[in-house]
Amino acid sequence: QVQLLQSGGGVVQPGRSLRLSCATSGFTFSNYGMHWVRQAPGKGLEWVAVVSHDGSHTYYADSVKGRFTISRDSSKNTVYLQMESLRPEDTAVYYCAKITAVAGGRYFDSWGQGALVTVSS
Amino acid sequence: AIQMTQSPSSLSASVGDRVTITCRASQGISDELGWVQQKPGSGPKVLIYAASTLQSGVPSRFSGSGSGTDFTLTISSLQPEDFATYYCLQDYNYPYTFGQGTKLEIK
Repeated sequence: QVQLLQSGGGVVQPGRSLRLSCATSGFTFSNYGMHWVRQAPGKGLEWVAVVSHDGSHTYYADSVKGRFTISRDSSKNTVYLQMESLRPEDTAVYYCAKITAVAGGRYFDSWGQGALVTVSS
Repeated sequence: AIQMTQSPSSLSASVGDRVTITCRASQGISDELGWVQQKPGSGPKVLIYAASTLQSGVPSRFSGSGSGTDFTLTISSLQPEDFATYYCLQDYNYPYTFGQGTKLEIK
């Protein structure tokens, strides 16, 4: 079955960097776009970034553009989120998510377990 | 970025009630909207995509409608397991954007 296993969360000081990983299995990784979504404590969901199925296209939320980089490694079936210049407002649970396109639409059909990133001095 | 305005932000209802949550987009998004459920301590789960298509395994008491800028999620007869927070999500263009959420609580 489809599995998305996240790693890399933790506590980091403002201005520092952190990389999240999302190792996948159970599907043909190179066929699917992959996303990151985050949720600050007690707040709503915020879409963060996407990488296309072949890695050729990436898009970002305005709040992270220029600081975060999404990438993928097809040899490892893994998607990454490299986070630079972290701010306290980046504190959140980060979820990776797989998106499936079907006739008539698309939807997130699988999610990682979430990884807490805390930005604090 | 497209703004998604969801209402109400919270709602108290009883088991068996019919409830409706609405979402308005700041510009037309065709039918490229989904509804996401999140229970406390759990990750998100997509219930509906393309405005009205039920994700596999989602009970038929959930339904979605709308197109363009105005959308609705309806739960026809609330069950105890439906008490959760619901979000709309536009996937018309990037950046994708969520509504601010509707917390559905037991009356």
